[in-house]
Amino acid sequence: EPEVTQTPSHQVTQMGQEVILRCVPISNHLYFYWYRQILGQKVEFLVSFYNNEISEKSEIFDDQFSVERPDGSNFTLKIRSTKLEDSAMYFCASSGLGTGIGETQYFGPGTRLLVL
Amino acid sequence: QKEVEQNSGPLSVPEGAIASLNCTYSDRVSQSFFWYRQYSGKSPELIMSIYSNGDKEDGRFTAQLNKASQYVSLLIRDSQPSDSATYLCAVSSNTGNQFYFGTGTSLTVIP
Repeated sequence: EPEVTQTPSHQVTQMGQEVILRCVPISNHLYFYWYRQILGQKVEFLVSFYNNEISEKSEIFDDQFSVERPDGSNFTLKIRSTKLEDSAMYFCASSGLGTGIGETQYFGPGTRLLVL
Repeated sequence: QKEVEQNSGPLSVPEGAIASLNCTYSDRVSQSFFWYRQYSGKSPELIMSIYSNGDKEDGRFTAQLNKASQYVSLLIRDSQPSDSATYLCAVSSNTGNQFYFGTGTSLTVIP
């Protein structure tokens, strides 16, 4: 069964450093997302991406964040200058064989980011 | 701010019993509703989606949606210890481009 994959599974970085989280969405999906979950809290939407551009972004997704689809398979989230409060589990998701509106989103296993 | 509310639990049921999980949402225009299961330290795993008022059954799981009351529930029949997890209610935005998640209900099925 096709699945979303993410690398690395764990990332430890120093405050102020740049990190890139990588995702390979399900191959024929058209819509891609990033969510984060701070330990013990709810899953929060960061950004959605379709047709090589951002569709929507949340207040969390400020200028420190960026997304890119550098090739036909990868989808990346970059945090330019990490802060302590960026420590969280980051989930990539994909959906959309049709309109993508309200369709099921399938989640990857996540990258646990720890900022020291 | 779109809100999705769930009882955080913990909810404990004996093996073989019915577990009932509830969720309310604030955005009246929401059209798509989902239940995910999340084991500790793992990613959300889809249990069911529901789009229309009424019941939708899939094996031991039944989702119920009442848009007028802005309420969605999940029933788990014949609960098994392997069902012990946190259950997340998710509601799509009116554009469908983002999901709003509740904080989740922790379920423990006691053998």
